[in-house]
Amino acid sequence: DTEVTQTPKHLVMGMTNKKSLKCEQHMGHRAMYWYKQKAKKPPELMFVYSYEKLSINESVPSRFSPECPNSSLLNLHLHALQPEDSALYLCASSQGKGWDTGELFFGEGSRLTVL
Amino acid sequence: ILNVEQSPQSLHVQEGDSTNFTCSFPSSNFYALHWYRWETAKSPEALFVMTLNGDEKKKGRISATLNTKEGYSYLYIKGSQPEDSATYLCASGSSNTGKLIFGQGTTLQVKP
Repeated sequence: DTEVTQTPKHLVMGMTNKKSLKCEQHMGHRAMYWYKQKAKKPPELMFVYSYEKLSINESVPSRFSPECPNSSLLNLHLHALQPEDSALYLCASSQGKGWDTGELFFGEGSRLTVL
Repeated sequence: ILNVEQSPQSLHVQEGDSTNFTCSFPSSNFYALHWYRWETAKSPEALFVMTLNGDEKKKGRISATLNTKEGYSYLYIKGSQPEDSATYLCASGSSNTGKLIFGQGTTLQVKP
């Protein structure tokens, strides 16, 4: 199984809603990532978990809250988002402690629209 | 160069043409260079991971080179096919920041 599964594929939420994006992998990877991508822009790193501990937080606003309940799961909790947070959110995983040990395996992304 | 930059932004070629793209990245504290292919409505898939200056890697009709001293990598596609149509992303990893930073991608359209 070489897949990273993200749910939901599409999410529409209001600015007062609380929702979560989920990411799952069963490849035994120990590093997991959240990237945000807006149209015509490069994917921007948000968070990195290495061995289930948050190792990088790219000064992401607190309305985005990551969680890594176990080595296979990565969540992104969303609360009080702004319309400018509308984007494609990509989850990825890699072997070992991070990208320096090999390629990233990506999910198909969750397309988020904030109204 | 402070960011990862890719050129051209988009490219339209005929089937059978050979093409190449450029990825420029900061040469200081370089650790690794990744190339990914991203087809519409699919997930990005790794093509190559390169770490050593002078590295050349090949997968079928696609090959890549790496120059870490001057901070660039080239991706070559020989005899482009319509199924090569995708966005090609490069990403550079830095040993001092511990981060893998992506370029904005080159979108390739191959016309039959």
